[in-house]
Amino acid sequence: ETGVTQTPRHLVMGMTNKKSLKCEQHLGHNAMYWYKQSAKKPLELMFVYNFKEQTENNSVPSRFSPECPNSSHLFLHLHTLQPEDSALYLCASSRGQGYGDTQYFGPGTRLTVL
Amino acid sequence: AQTVTQSQPEMSVQEAETVTLSCTYDTSESDYYLFWYKQPPSRQMILVIRQEAYKQQNATENRFSVNFQKAAKSFSLKISDSQLGDAAMYFCAYRSGGSQGNLIFGKGTKLSVKP
Repeated sequence: ETGVTQTPRHLVMGMTNKKSLKCEQHLGHNAMYWYKQSAKKPLELMFVYNFKEQTENNSVPSRFSPECPNSSHLFLHLHTLQPEDSALYLCASSRGQGYGDTQYFGPGTRLTVL
Repeated sequence: AQTVTQSQPEMSVQEAETVTLSCTYDTSESDYYLFWYKQPPSRQMILVIRQEAYKQQNATENRFSVNFQKAAKSFSLKISDSQLGDAAMYFCAYRSGGSQGNLIFGKGTKLSVKP
């Protein structure tokens, strides 16, 4: 295990539902990330937080809303999603945002939007 | 913008043999990091090996080594003495040397290991 946990591991939701994904890291890191992993596409960076402040929003639709209450926890709030949002959502953390700081990934949440 | 290309969607290797996964990237920067990540089926993505661009010596981690050709912008991963547990998706990634450079991933190579 990498020290990054995600819950739930699987989620099925309708297009009108509201749900949240949770990520927790036990590594004492200061930076946290959300990625989207779709079949046959490279991982797409969605959001970056450093010391609880959002430093990157990679043009993500507003139906995805991140929250970072502290350096150990990261949430992704979901509402009125589309079927094309079905994917594996990965959380990662790193000591900082320096280019030498290795990112450690969680196991992901497999999201299916009906 | 930087791009990372993995030209082999799938590869196969016999147990105990050696396999090389290819990765090329495009950048105008001179300072950056390169990474290989492994994602086993239904398991977490983990770092396999990383290489700083300013280091000429190729990185090595046990059975894993890289062939870093900076001029050619090539960063291949060699797995020696392949084991069944090496079966996974392998992702090559690039990170800019800037203070907030983000990881840019290739599409991945699915490696199968035959017993």
